Amino acid sequence: TQLLEQSPQFLSIQEGENLTVYCNSSSVFSSLQWYRQEPGEGPVLLVTVVTGGEVKKLKRLTFQFGDARKDSSLHITAAQPGDTGLYLCAGAHRDAGTALIFGKGTTLSVSS
Amino acid sequence: DVKVTQSSRYLVKRTGEKVFLECVQDMDHENMFWYRQDPGLGLRLIYFSYDVKMKEKGDIPEGYSVSREKKERFSLILESASTNQTSMYLCASSQDFFSSYNEQFFGPGTRLTVL
Repeated sequence: TQLLEQSPQFLSIQEGENLTVYCNSSSVFSSLQWYRQEPGEGPVLLVTVVTGGEVKKLKRLTFQFGDARKDSSLHITAAQPGDTGLYLCAGAHRDAGTALIFGKGTTLSVSS
Repeated sequence: DVKVTQSSRYLVKRTGEKVFLECVQDMDHENMFWYRQDPGLGLRLIYFSYDVKMKEKGDIPEGYSVSREKKERFSLILESASTNQTSMYLCASSQDFFSSYNEQFFGPGTRLTVL
């Protein structure tokens, strides 16, 4: 079974701090997505990375796909309370077919 | 924008009742999925469908069934609800991999409580 391990599981920081969330696996993924989920809502797609070494930026969020396509990171610069939520990574793997393999998520709390 | 809607945001049912959760997507996606989400366990796939009338079991299909009679609609059925099926249920849809890398678009979720 392919697993996506996310770390840390919980993160509580002050507004203005920087943080990084990691998503690691021993398997190679064809693509990897990051989602953010707010309490009581469904996950919302933030970004998809496909190429090894790829870096994508979304305002203060920077996403990187590892060179070997086994891991990814999400870096947030100058976090704001609006960044609070559950961050999920999910990978597409040939053995999973049309389904995605999800990490268990990182719960981020940013206080002002 | 892709829109995935779920029939109810909150639902309270009694043990033994038959429960229907409905999901509709408006982007002509081939694939549809049902997950449940529980604290500490993450998202767990119950069933998915890659075409009308086609279905595949996910990781935790026991106690559930599904129906996909039309491309845009995917229903999750709890034949006889039990208290351990109290959870957040999420529906998602996706286009084929070569068009979209399996990106999934989620509905807002249904919070089901079984008493």
